[in-house]
Amino acid sequence: AQSVTQLGSHVSVSEGALVLLRCNYSSSVPPYLFWYVQYPNQGLQLLLKYTSAATLVKGINGFEAEFKKSETSFHLTKPSAHMSDAAEYFCAVSGDPANFGNEKLTFGTGTRLTIIP
Amino acid sequence: DAGVTQSPTHLIKTRGQQVTLRCSPISGHKSVSWYQQVLGQGPQFIFQYYEKEERGRGNFPDRFSARQFPNYSSELNVNALLLGDSALYLCASSFQAGEGKTQYFGPGTRLLVL
Repeated sequence: AQSVTQLGSHVSVSEGALVLLRCNYSSSVPPYLFWYVQYPNQGLQLLLKYTSAATLVKGINGFEAEFKKSETSFHLTKPSAHMSDAAEYFCAVSGDPANFGNEKLTFGTGTRLTIIP
Repeated sequence: DAGVTQSPTHLIKTRGQQVTLRCSPISGHKSVSWYQQVLGQGPQFIFQYYEKEERGRGNFPDRFSARQFPNYSSELNVNALLLGDSALYLCASSFQAGEGKTQYFGPGTRLLVL
């Protein structure tokens, strides 16, 4: 079965500093990987998605993530944090052959990002 | 274009009751998935429907059921509610079914079971 592990349930960075949110995956097949953001009392918004076309994926709001097979990682970064980036971030994986025909997403437990003024 | 819509936004029920949650996918999307998000955790997959057929089911008891209508909207039903069913229920739609397809989430229905 596929799984993702998000290291750090809470991350705090200063405004203007680098944002780094960590995600490691486990999958027996090449995975599809996603980062979603959830603002308070809202649903999930897709930030970016990896589907094997390129290892460096650029998303919305200045975020990007790099797929590293050797490290089974898909960490999310942003060069300069903004106050509006404060939210909960979820890494997710799909593509398990056991789920053939459906797109079940398996999510991590999330990382709450706080921006310090 | 309108995104995924869900109703109601909030709901309060008591233990043992039944609840029905509704979801309308993005226009043109034929696949709908349901997720449960307990406070402080990531969403957990409940069901996926594509072209009115169940394509996947998560590790949830038979108290949970769903269906998809000809217009691709969907309902999630939960019977015999337990306190542990209190959660945010998220609906997601995608144009097609299958691995790697992007799912677009609605704002969710927050269910509180007392």
